[in-house]
Amino acid sequence: GNSVTQMEGPVTLSEEAFLTINCTYTATGYPSLFWYVQYPGEGLQLLLKATKADDKGSNKGFEATYRKETTSFHLEKGSVQVSDSAVYFCALNPGGGNKLTFGTGTQLKVEL
Amino acid sequence: DTEVTQTPKHLVMGMTNKKSLKCEQHMGHRAMYWYKQKAKKPPELMFVYSYEKLSINESVPSRFSPECPNSSLLNLHLHALQPEDSALYLCASSQEGQGERSNQPQHFGDGTRLSIL
Repeated sequence: GNSVTQMEGPVTLSEEAFLTINCTYTATGYPSLFWYVQYPGEGLQLLLKATKADDKGSNKGFEATYRKETTSFHLEKGSVQVSDSAVYFCALNPGGGNKLTFGTGTQLKVEL
Repeated sequence: DTEVTQTPKHLVMGMTNKKSLKCEQHMGHRAMYWYKQKAKKPPELMFVYSYEKLSINESVPSRFSPECPNSSLLNLHLHALQPEDSALYLCASSQEGQGERSNQPQHFGDGTRLSIL
């Protein structure tokens, strides 16, 4: 079946630190990959996506590259801010339908 | 600002009450979704509507009854809920995917936080 594995949180960083949140997946076919962010008290917002191998999604300073050889889609940001504190979900759509498979989520806390 | 609007934002109800959650989108999306999210967990899919027809029901108890009156609206009717149904209920919408390369992202509302007394 399809699955997404994310690193356990919470991840606590100082402002301006480098961020990596690991995400690996298992899927057949041609999955599309997504990162969603959920700020406290809000719904999920699409952060970035990639639809085929070697695609790089980017938005608001965050980046992730679709690596088929390592089945990974790690989220990175060069310099985090306090306002980036949120829960980040990696997700995949295996294709051929409308079902998303989510990872367990990683909470990020950024401190001054 | 989210493009998927959910009302109400908060709802407290007793186990014998009947209430409805509402969701609206004007992005022309033809797929709409209901999710349930418990604290510190990812969203769990409940229902999917495609072109106003129910296409996926993830074995949700019958005390939850979805309805899609038109392509912009999605309702979730609630009756005789249990305390364990307390959660954040999220609505989402997306373009319909085409074939195997279904890469349309889902756009989420801010949810209704439901508490069952």
